[in-house]
Amino acid sequence: NAGVTQTPKFRVLKTGQSMTLLCAQDMNHEYMYWYRQDPGMGLRLIHYSVGEGTTAKGEVPDGYNVSRLKKQNFLLGLESAAPSQTSVYFCASSLFGSGPYEQYFGPGTRLTVT
Amino acid sequence: TQLLEQSPQFLSIQEGENLTVYCNSSSVFSSLQWYRQEPGEGPVLLVTVVTGGEVKKLKRLTFQFGDARKDSSLHITAAQPGDTGLYLCAGEGGTPLVFGKGTRLSVIA
Repeated sequence: NAGVTQTPKFRVLKTGQSMTLLCAQDMNHEYMYWYRQDPGMGLRLIHYSVGEGTTAKGEVPDGYNVSRLKKQNFLLGLESAAPSQTSVYFCASSLFGSGPYEQYFGPGTRLTVT
Repeated sequence: TQLLEQSPQFLSIQEGENLTVYCNSSSVFSSLQWYRQEPGEGPVLLVTVVTGGEVKKLKRLTFQFGDARKDSSLHITAAQPGDTGLYLCAGEGGTPLVFGKGTRLSVIA
């Protein structure tokens, strides 16, 4: 099992450019999540999905869109990147959401917006 | 809004010392998880505690869930450089998990 994989690992964007981050999991998990991690701010939830075809907003959803067209994939899009979106982005998945279920994290994508 | 406060924010100790980090909230959680994150990687689950007052041991790490299920602690005995990392607590009280901001531990050889 590869677990949770993220593409790309690093990216530099200019302000106003767009990009899509791809997350894939091979554990048949129902729930998937996108977080951003900034120094001193911990993990902040951007969007999450409770199943194929569903998405929901997290704590910091502005400036991001997501799609879950296939159960194993969860895409995070930035339509017009801003320097405030410079961060490390983590994708995670869990079997279910309610209950003591472990979240499995990917290795992260380091995004810099200049 | 459920919040988890972790303390201390930073901790730097010598190899062989003992330490305790805390995770506190005014909210009740059904369960609480502890994750460790090493530099350049995603967090990895260490333990889940479910019952109020529960104590779990993982080698030199001891985790305790408060009786009222509002707080938790992580005690490390005889810390080693391999324990260096960011320790995150996460509370389960619905969907999704609520994460604390973490305690960054540095163990110096």
